[in-house]
Amino acid sequence: DAGVIQSPRHEVTEMGQEVTLRCKPISGHNSLFWYRQTMMRGLELLIYFNNNVPIDDSGMPEDRFSAKMPNASFSTLKIQPSEPRDSAVYFCASSPVGQGLEKLFFGSGTQLSVL
Amino acid sequence: GNSVTQMEGPVTLSEEAFLTINCTYTATGYPSLFWYVQYPGEGLQLLLKATKADDKGSNKGFEATYRKETTSFHLEKGSVQVSDSAVYFCALMGGGSNYKLTFGKGTLLTVNP
Repeated sequence: DAGVIQSPRHEVTEMGQEVTLRCKPISGHNSLFWYRQTMMRGLELLIYFNNNVPIDDSGMPEDRFSAKMPNASFSTLKIQPSEPRDSAVYFCASSPVGQGLEKLFFGSGTQLSVL
Repeated sequence: GNSVTQMEGPVTLSEEAFLTINCTYTATGYPSLFWYVQYPGEGLQLLLKATKADDKGSNKGFEATYRKETTSFHLEKGSVQVSDSAVYFCALMGGGSNYKLTFGKGTLLTVNP
């Protein structure tokens, strides 16, 4: 199994630009999570999907952030417009059915730098 | 709300030394507790877990015991290896949520040969 695949690995953009992060969960996993990691705040849950439906988006910082999961094998996290304070590592994680949502499989992350 | 506090790093040890990384938590109810590990350039992966008081989680020589009286879940290993160099995260799930993991800020461990 290829694991959770995220792209790009690194993204450098300028303030005000739109940024789209992509995630392919492990096949058969029905739960998907987006986390953000910063030095100041550590790992924060942004949004949780179950069976492609957003269940909890209370962690999404503001309206500039949006996430979609059009099908079971693909999700995007979009920031528009981006700001320097959005610089962080963004992780996607998926979880298999019936094994407890605490057993997350993380991707390698996208390192985002907004200049 | 839920919170996890773990010792700040970095922690630097020589190979075969004893490791302890402290973790304490605040949560309502009876949370499940976890240690995740992040190797360089990779995502986090579950190392071990414990779901009730006095449970001991163990994996790859690492151990942690769920101590409700001290609200702690300290990670230990008797003899570390260079390959254990990574960032270690303590986490909990509970307090009314069955999907939201609350993570500590992570502790960087470097093991020198």
